[in-house]
Amino acid sequence: NAGVTQTPKFQVLKTGQSMTLQCAQDMNHNSMYWYRQDPGMGLRLIYYSASEGTTDKGEVPNGYNVSRLNKREFSLRLESAAPSQTSVYFCASSEGTWSNQPQHFGDGTRLSIL
Amino acid sequence: KDQVFQPSTVASSEGAVVEIFCNHSVSNAYNFFWYLHFPGCAPRLLVKGSKPSQQGRYNMTYERFSSSLLILQVREADAAVYYCACYSSASKIIFGSGTRLSIRP
Repeated sequence: NAGVTQTPKFQVLKTGQSMTLQCAQDMNHNSMYWYRQDPGMGLRLIYYSASEGTTDKGEVPNGYNVSRLNKREFSLRLESAAPSQTSVYFCASSEGTWSNQPQHFGDGTRLSIL
Repeated sequence: KDQVFQPSTVASSEGAVVEIFCNHSVSNAYNFFWYLHFPGCAPRLLVKGSKPSQQGRYNMTYERFSSSLLILQVREADAAVYYCACYSSASKIIFGSGTRLSIRP
């Protein structure tokens, strides 16, 4: 029972490089989310996908793009990485959109931009 | 602005009951979620609901604008970050900034 799987677990980039973070869930969930976690800031929503084929901006979308490839997969892309995007990124999924269903998280991707 | 507030740190001694408080300014909020997060791992749901509830050593209190997570018989292994989150039908789920729990032996 893998749940939510994120790859890679760690990555170091140079400023200006591009990168795609991958996320897959095997729980047949409709909704998927990308968060970033910074010290003292908690979990901030970057983008979310209510269902396959839809994506919407969260609280901090600037500098990111997402693709809901199919029901299982939701990727996050940094087109031109900046040091301010150094963070731990978490993917999550839930049965429905903003329902009373809890979100299930992956183990995170630790990203450093030099 | 919809926000969830919780203390940045809480300290306790082993064997005690720890209370982590959370309050919010989220419009029409009616569900609270409490998550446990160990660094390097996935945040994990502990307890949730729109009324007081219990899951093992974890109790959740519920008021209209606040909730507390009570951890019974706290152990050194409970040292982690605890997130409070609030769901509103009018807005997205909002996470607090997390409370780091430290345990004195």
